[in-house]
Amino acid sequence: EDKVVQSPLSLVVHEGDTVTLNCSYEVTNFRSLLWYKQEKKAPTFLFMLTSSGIEKKSGRLSSILDKKELFSILNITATQTGDSAIYLCAVDQAGTALIFGKGTTLSVSS
Amino acid sequence: DADVTQTPRNRITKTGKRIMLECSQTKGHDRMYWYRQDPGLGLRLIYYSFDVKDINKGEISDGYSVSRQAQAKFSLSLESAIPNQTALYFCATSETGADTGELFFGEGSRLTVL
Repeated sequence: EDKVVQSPLSLVVHEGDTVTLNCSYEVTNFRSLLWYKQEKKAPTFLFMLTSSGIEKKSGRLSSILDKKELFSILNITATQTGDSAIYLCAVDQAGTALIFGKGTTLSVSS
Repeated sequence: DADVTQTPRNRITKTGKRIMLECSQTKGHDRMYWYRQDPGLGLRLIYYSFDVKDINKGEISDGYSVSRQAQAKFSLSLESAIPNQTALYFCATSETGADTGELFFGEGSRLTVL
């Protein structure tokens, strides 16, 4: 059975901390892994990763994929209260729809 | 205007009622999806459609049906709503042949079944 597992499921940190969110997967016909951020409404796209070892960066957020060990991490440095959200990991398989993990709920306190 | 529009945005109904959630898009994408979100469970796939003549069941299709009326329209129906179908429902689209599998989401439809 195809699955995407995220850890931790929830996390509380202080402003300025660095956090690492994890996503492991077991799927057939892997094509890419995607990260989304969800605040109060619809998820918004962060990154798409297809190749191992190539880091994607956007400001304080970065992500990397390991296709041998079947996982990805999302790092957020110098966290801010605006980073509080649900972070969703999803895997794209050829010929079917995205499979999502359960998400990590991040709370950043000031 | 939003590229992916869902109606209604909020709906409260009673057990046993028939409910339809509608989704329309102006992105010109062939692929459309319905996902359900419950607290702590991420997004779970209900149905998806890769073109007008294609309908596929997802992980949790029981109790739901869909209709792809046109490239731009994809409706989700609950024939006889039950309380455990209370959830936030998202419609999404994606582009056939795109390098990424990125989904473009509607704003969500919050359904409460009493």
